[in-house]
Amino acid sequence: GAGVSQTPSNKVTEKGKYVELRCDPISGHTALYWYRQSLGQGPEFLIYFQGTGAADDSGLPNDRFFAVRPEGSVSTLKIQRTERGDSAVYLCASSLRGDTPYEQYFGPGTRLTVT
Amino acid sequence: GQNIDQPTEMTATEGAIVQINCTYQTSGFNGLFWYQQHAGEAPTFLSYNVLDGLEEKGRFSSFLSRSKGYSYLLLKELQMKDSASYLCAVRRDYGQNFVFGPGTRLSVLP
Repeated sequence: GAGVSQTPSNKVTEKGKYVELRCDPISGHTALYWYRQSLGQGPEFLIYFQGTGAADDSGLPNDRFFAVRPEGSVSTLKIQRTERGDSAVYLCASSLRGDTPYEQYFGPGTRLTVT
Repeated sequence: GQNIDQPTEMTATEGAIVQINCTYQTSGFNGLFWYQQHAGEAPTFLSYNVLDGLEEKGRFSSFLSRSKGYSYLLLKELQMKDSASYLCAVRRDYGQNFVFGPGTRLSVLP
């Protein structure tokens, strides 16, 4: 079956602009996670959704970052007033449920470059 | 704070065995995961431990000691395709976030 997909695969934007990154999780997975990964580092947790609600958004670095999952499936990560330090690979992952230790399946990521 | 340590790089020979260590100090613990990540690709799940002891899965085994905050991933019969980064991640609580280590870049040489 289809895995986690993310669009776009690459995004180049200018400092100060607004961007949206999209994640399509595996069908039937209720838990969805966003991470960002800088070169040579492990993924850094941003936000976790269980269904439509953000169960844990403690990893969002500041109020320029926001994510939604209105129908409990597709999620969009939104970054306002982008800064060069936001440049990273943004990874999305989904799992069957969030309250039990099911493994996460990662998407291929969106590489964001802020110039 | 949350802290997960792994060696930055390791090198091993094809056919050999390698052990990648991970130590952690986190607030809350509900499982330790190992992921493999090839350059430019997404992480893929390898193994999971929530209780102390060894979990074996083919060529890969993972060990956990919760009292010591320690885990290792054991890779046997190394193949060239095992050259990748190996990420240790702690799940802090039910349904909550994962904390990833920096990863260990393993190079398998012929």
